[in-house]
Amino acid sequence: EAGVAQSPRYKIIEKRQSVAFWCNPISGHATLYWYQQILGQGPKLLIQFQNNGVVDDSQLPKDRFSAERLKGVDSTLKIQPAKLEDSAVYLCASSLGGARETQYFGPGTRLLVL
Amino acid sequence: SQQGEEDPQALSIQEGENATMNCSYKTSINNLQWYRQNSGRGLVHLILIRSNEREKHSGRLRVTLDTSKKSSSLLITASRAADTASYFCATEAGRRALTFGSGTRLQVQP
Repeated sequence: EAGVAQSPRYKIIEKRQSVAFWCNPISGHATLYWYQQILGQGPKLLIQFQNNGVVDDSQLPKDRFSAERLKGVDSTLKIQPAKLEDSAVYLCASSLGGARETQYFGPGTRLLVL
Repeated sequence: SQQGEEDPQALSIQEGENATMNCSYKTSINNLQWYRQNSGRGLVHLILIRSNEREKHSGRLRVTLDTSKKSSSLLITASRAADTASYFCATEAGRRALTFGSGTRLQVQP
């Protein structure tokens, strides 16, 4: 079974630029999550989708971050404009059902904002 | 904010020794999960313990949960160099996705 795929694996941009990350969850998984992991910390949930609807985006900085999950499969996370403090690893995860089920994580996208 | 807090923040042991990591949390939960993260990689699910369970085993892993103290522990027995990684506890409560702690960095010396 293929795992969660993410791209790109690494990205370096300058502040105020825009960046987009892509995630392809495990086939058949209804729930998709985006987490932000700052160096030395645990992952923090940014947004949770159930199929193509948003379940929780309470911790998403909506003035600069946006995410979508068209057709309930792939998802993109965008930052526009980026700030220095956005430097982190962005992890995508998926689960078969809701949050009570095991989440499977992708390898992450490491973002460096200069 | 992060609900779970792991203790210790860092742990260094010799191969063959046991490693114990603790996690404390603040609110009622449905389940608690432990994940491992190798440097520069994604997280790997290790074990899930539900709020009505007190202990669970999986291979060399033993997890305990004390809901009265809002704490959990992860024991890795007979550690190996390959166990070197960061270990995170994560709590699940309601519909919200997992809330992770800040992790314990385990170094197993060969």
